[in-house]
Amino acid sequence: DAKTTQPNSMESNEEEPVHLPCNHSTISGTDYIHWYRQLPSQGPEYVIHGLTSNVNNRMASLAIAEDRKSSTLILHRATLRDAAVYYCILMTGNQFYFGTGTSLTVIP
Amino acid sequence: NAGVMQNPRHLVRRRGQEARLRCSPMKGHSHVYWYRQLPEEGLKFMVYLQKENIIDESGMPKERFSAEFPKEGPSILRIQQVVRGDSAAYFCASLLQGFGDTQYFGPGTRLTVL
Repeated sequence: DAKTTQPNSMESNEEEPVHLPCNHSTISGTDYIHWYRQLPSQGPEYVIHGLTSNVNNRMASLAIAEDRKSSTLILHRATLRDAAVYYCILMTGNQFYFGTGTSLTVIP
Repeated sequence: NAGVMQNPRHLVRRRGQEARLRCSPMKGHSHVYWYRQLPEEGLKFMVYLQKENIIDESGMPKERFSAEFPKEGPSILRIQQVVRGDSAAYFCASLLQGFGDTQYFGPGTRLTVL
């Protein structure tokens, strides 16, 4: 019952933009969409979050579909340090629902 | 991850022993989440605590597992009579204001049950 669906893996060339998709068709009106990433043997790290509008910060951009049933995390220029598992998460009530995430490989 | 401390980083226990995992949140944070991560899987919510209160423990197994976050000191996740299936990475995250706030994760404790 992860509530989000992501591709298992993606590849990107270094210095190129990366678009990481996420489907969350059962989202409710008050659910926030969060993205975290996890490097090997580390705890997850916050990337970005939003509710309805697109969001930008120094790490990434978050594009949210008008019906909110999907979103896309955009890394504008992938670096080797961006290689990680990216989790798209819905915050429902008190809980974060992590799926299995997308493992991003960055090719030099 | 800066500021959230977890110890020990690695813990080995034999079946039937007790495991105590500690989480010191970031300074000023009074809310803590605990998660469990099995190999090749995402994190699974276990419990959400505020100082001296359990807010949501719906993700905790009904037996052998307990958690606390006292007024003073770290949050403790306690697993009694460990079994091999408890082997996992356990992460805590702290929040400043609670529900809806950004979660800051610790480095995790990797529990191995022999």
